[in-house]
Amino acid sequence: LAKTTQPISMDSYEGQEVNITCSHNNIATNDYITWYQQFPSQGPRFIIQGYKTKVTNEVASLFIPADRKSSTLSLPRVSLSDTAVYYCLVGDTGRRALTFGSGTRLQVQP
Amino acid sequence: GAGVSQSPSNKVTEKGKDVELRCDPISGHTALYWYRQSLGQGLEFLIYFQGNSAPDKSGLPSDRFSAERTGGSVSTLTIQRTQQEDSAVYLCASSLGPGGPTNTEAFFGQGTRLTVV
Repeated sequence: LAKTTQPISMDSYEGQEVNITCSHNNIATNDYITWYQQFPSQGPRFIIQGYKTKVTNEVASLFIPADRKSSTLSLPRVSLSDTAVYYCLVGDTGRRALTFGSGTRLQVQP
Repeated sequence: GAGVSQSPSNKVTEKGKDVELRCDPISGHTALYWYRQSLGQGLEFLIYFQGNSAPDKSGLPSDRFSAERTGGSVSTLTIQRTQQEDSAVYLCASSLGPGGPTNTEAFFGQGTRLTVV
């Protein structure tokens, strides 16, 4: 799987928009970009997935530029409950195992 | 069941003993993954099963670790002669398997917290 690089940690305040960028310079043609969220003492939870351009669901938006060498997870108006670790994964997980990086630890302050 | 089920939720064992951790994936999911997560750390890949294909065992840290998946469903992770450094949360996940993008969403269980004393 393509290696990913993301910030170790980020801080924000309630109500702000948070953007977490992930670099994946070696992404392959068949690879998708997937983001997971993990709360303490829980398994990771799927947030969003995309291949190119922009994807939006009820939780977040995912922005992917044309070269696909990076992606940005956007969380609108974060709340304290969004405090978690966010993982960016790149790959065709239907054929290969998921490989998690170190993730980004987001701390939302009141 | 509705989600991935793991048992036991907690396991305390003495150093040198063998342990078995169980994972019941979501029905119909052909892909199954095992991960290990130490306190405050990221997820360490252990092993991946996909249908009837040979499993990807590249993440197993030593020959004390092994895993089976019977009938393409339930999986058991076995750790022989446990060591204190094996203490961690062991997470299992499943997904639909090969195919389009919707098959890449993996669903995780709550994990088994293993403590070796």
